[in-house]
Amino acid sequence: GEDVEQSLFLSVREGDSSVINCTYTDSSSTYLYWYKQEPGAGLQLLTYIFSNMDMKQDQRLTVLLNKKDKHLSLRIADTQTGDSAIYFCAETPGDYKLSFGAGTTVTVRA
Amino acid sequence: DTEVTQTPKHLVMGMTNKKSLKCEQHMGHRAMYWYKQKAKKPPELMFVYSYEKLSINESVPSRFSPECPNSSLLNLHLHALQPEDSALYLCASSRGGGGPDTQYFGPGTRLTVL
Repeated sequence: GEDVEQSLFLSVREGDSSVINCTYTDSSSTYLYWYKQEPGAGLQLLTYIFSNMDMKQDQRLTVLLNKKDKHLSLRIADTQTGDSAIYFCAETPGDYKLSFGAGTTVTVRA
Repeated sequence: DTEVTQTPKHLVMGMTNKKSLKCEQHMGHRAMYWYKQKAKKPPELMFVYSYEKLSINESVPSRFSPECPNSSLLNLHLHALQPEDSALYLCASSRGGGGPDTQYFGPGTRLTVL
């Protein structure tokens, strides 16, 4: 089962911002990750944030980290149809281990 | 270059067949991984190789047999599989050496067991 929690679905209008939320469990996780999976494809590393950071911005992506609440979010600005996918957040509970959330399916509507 | 390649892309096999999945990376990574992913679920770790030695086996049935011939290649040998083994099999690699380590995934092999 997943100790990392994510909402399962998000529907957003094209051009709007998307915000995907995640609650993780392991306060010792050094990195926290966001992966994107399009239908029939593998996992694409979108971005990650080091645990001593509060925010990281990379083009249309903004990651916010609230360590006190163990809350991670991914904001996608100007959401496009190509952003339709499943988004997984993941924490790192130990060497070589990734603990994934259940994944949030993002649907972009015209 | 952060590319991990996997072959074949699709594989259909019977329960008595023997087949192999292949994974390759040329990023100089020393850790390689096999994951199994069922539809609409997150990936589940199966095996980890570190410096060409098996480091983690997540209690995977013996009908799955991993092999790491060298630091760039990872195989998964399949024998006497069951229909419930049908899934997307993902390979990943990372720098290795312990500590925080970002994993890069391949496109996967879609396996169907009849």
